[in-house]
Amino acid sequence: EAQVTQNPRYLITVTGKKLTVTCSQNMNHEYMSWYRQDPGLGLRQIYYSMNVEVTDKGDVPEGYKVSRKEKRNFPLILESPSPNQTSLYFCASSFGSNQPQHFGDGTRLSIL
Amino acid sequence: GQQLNQSPQSMFIQEGEDVSMNCTSSSIFNTWLWYKQDPGEGPVLLIALYKAGELTSNGRLTAQFGITRKDSFLNISASIPSDVGIYFCAGQDAPGGGADGLTFGKGTHLIIQP
Repeated sequence: EAQVTQNPRYLITVTGKKLTVTCSQNMNHEYMSWYRQDPGLGLRQIYYSMNVEVTDKGDVPEGYKVSRKEKRNFPLILESPSPNQTSLYFCASSFGSNQPQHFGDGTRLSIL
Repeated sequence: GQQLNQSPQSMFIQEGEDVSMNCTSSSIFNTWLWYKQDPGEGPVLLIALYKAGELTSNGRLTAQFGITRKDSFLNISASIPSDVGIYFCAGQDAPGGGADGLTFGKGTHLIIQP
């Protein structure tokens, strides 16, 4: 089954404790992207990757890092999480950046 | 990033009614997409539009790419309980994607009263 898989689905942690949210897709997609979803603000892009070893900032990249060492994986890294990064995060992938994206089921992060 | 104005923000309708929602932008998009998000899940693509003036249907859903390329609407006919959810429009503004990827509207929350 074609899917985008995120882990964990839920995480409660404390300020400053590094965390990584993994994203994996099995569709051989080149383009992958991370979004955060907040009430009243909709979906905002954090980072995206056009292909392996090619990443770039989206609209709200501050406080986040990403890597794309393999085509299927695109982890989101919060080196020193802060409460304002409490949000619902979605990973998405597509064959190209101008193709419709397939979304994972989301990761709800709570930073205390 | 660019801004999309999606309306209405929420809709309370009776089962069986038709639904209409739209998105507008101050700038041109090359692609319009409509997604639906159910609680606890990620957005799922409903309809993709690639040409100005294009009208596309997917079952009871119909969407159009505005002729000015600055707007799009989504209609749902004869609503049923499983239509409940949040509907998002998204615009793609650059050939090949470029830096901005997708710009999303803030969503229309559809609530259906039995």
